[in-house]
Amino acid sequence: GAVVSQHPSWVICKSGTSVKIECRSLDFQATTMFWYRQFPKQSLMLMATSNEGSKATYEQGVEKDKFLINHASLTLSTLTVTSAHPEDSSFYICSASRSGRENTEAFFGQGTRLTVV
Amino acid sequence: AQTVTQSQPEMSVQEAETVTLSCTYDTSESDYYLFWYKQPPSRQMILVIRQEAYKQQNATENRFSVNFQKAAKSFSLKISDSQLGDAAMYFCAYRSSYDMRFGAGTRLTVKP
Repeated sequence: GAVVSQHPSWVICKSGTSVKIECRSLDFQATTMFWYRQFPKQSLMLMATSNEGSKATYEQGVEKDKFLINHASLTLSTLTVTSAHPEDSSFYICSASRSGRENTEAFFGQGTRLTVV
Repeated sequence: AQTVTQSQPEMSVQEAETVTLSCTYDTSESDYYLFWYKQPPSRQMILVIRQEAYKQQNATENRFSVNFQKAAKSFSLKISDSQLGDAAMYFCAYRSSYDMRFGAGTRLTVKP
């Protein structure tokens, strides 16, 4: 099966610092990766879509300069939360999919719980 | 942007019984894909079932089946012979060529 590894699983950082979350596809090439934010007992809110080698497409209301997304290779995408604030505390989930009409399933990482203190 | 609506925040079913979770979506595209994902307390997203919009036949995976009504933009999930392990949050998802969006979710409780 297709495995997506997200790291770290949880992180605590101080206000004003930056934190990087990695999303790796371990056994397939991920041409598209999605980044979501999930508040407690709520749905997954799409933050951005990234395609390998291209700039990420951000959803309306998501600050590009605050949530930096890089998808430099077919197996790795990163989300960097810059100058983190307590309101950025949340659960962040990535998913990855292959190219092609037959490869529409998105495989999910385990998620990262970010706490900003 | 496309929207996905799950109108049932919570559902409950007796073990071994059948339950149906509803989902509607709004899109102007003709080529898209629909999914049901399960999220247990671990928060790991698990694919339950998938439906291609260009296929008329409803998808089935063991005890899970869908009722896909393209004209009505409806995509419900039926769980037969419910088991205790089915208890989780269930999310309906819409996938286009450029994004993937989720409904608000339905929390399913299975009573022994």
